[in-house]
Amino acid sequence: DVKVTQSSRYLVKRTGEKVFLECVQDMDHENMFWYRQDPGLGLRLIYFSYDVKMKEKGDIPEGYSVSREKKERFSLILESASTNQTSMYLCASSPLTSGTARRKLFFGSGTQLSVL
Amino acid sequence: GIQVEQSPPDLILQEGANSTLRCNFSDSVNNLQWFHQNPWGQLINLFYIPSGTKQNGRLSATTVATERYSLLYISSSQTTDSGVYFCAVEKHGGRTPLVFGKGTRLSVIA
Repeated sequence: DVKVTQSSRYLVKRTGEKVFLECVQDMDHENMFWYRQDPGLGLRLIYFSYDVKMKEKGDIPEGYSVSREKKERFSLILESASTNQTSMYLCASSPLTSGTARRKLFFGSGTQLSVL
Repeated sequence: GIQVEQSPPDLILQEGANSTLRCNFSDSVNNLQWFHQNPWGQLINLFYIPSGTKQNGRLSATTVATERYSLLYISSSQTTDSGVYFCAVEKHGGRTPLVFGKGTRLSVIA
């Protein structure tokens, strides 16, 4: 089975802190994604990456950055955490297949981040 | 961008009942997936179904791509089916991530 591991289940940080959320997948997937989930807003894409050292902005990239130095690891960085970044953060990965089709997406268990 | 609408937004079922969840999308797609988020927040991939019909135990899904909708059927529901069901699509011909609907929250009561 595909395993997507997020480093923390719960995290509490102070306003202004730099926050790192780590995600590791063990299935050699090319594609990795960061979403945030908020009540009433569903899942919103922050950043994604189709290859090592590549990154693309999603729908809500402001206040976030990402790093993908190795294929299996995709890090989300909050440069200066703010209270409106309190949310559930979900990492996901999927394989790249032929053509432009993306196949099944697999999620980590999520990190509930509280910024005080 | 492509729009994804799910209905109903909330559903309460007695254990043993059957249900149908619907996902409408606004453009042609080459990728459609159904997910279940359990009460602890874990998202599980149920089906990859850009077209046709698939079954997995008590769950089945049908996508009619030409009419831009997909249905998820849950038969003989159990309390463990509770949670939020999401539909997600990728626009045909695009190299873009999945776009998620807002989900259907299902509560199965004993």
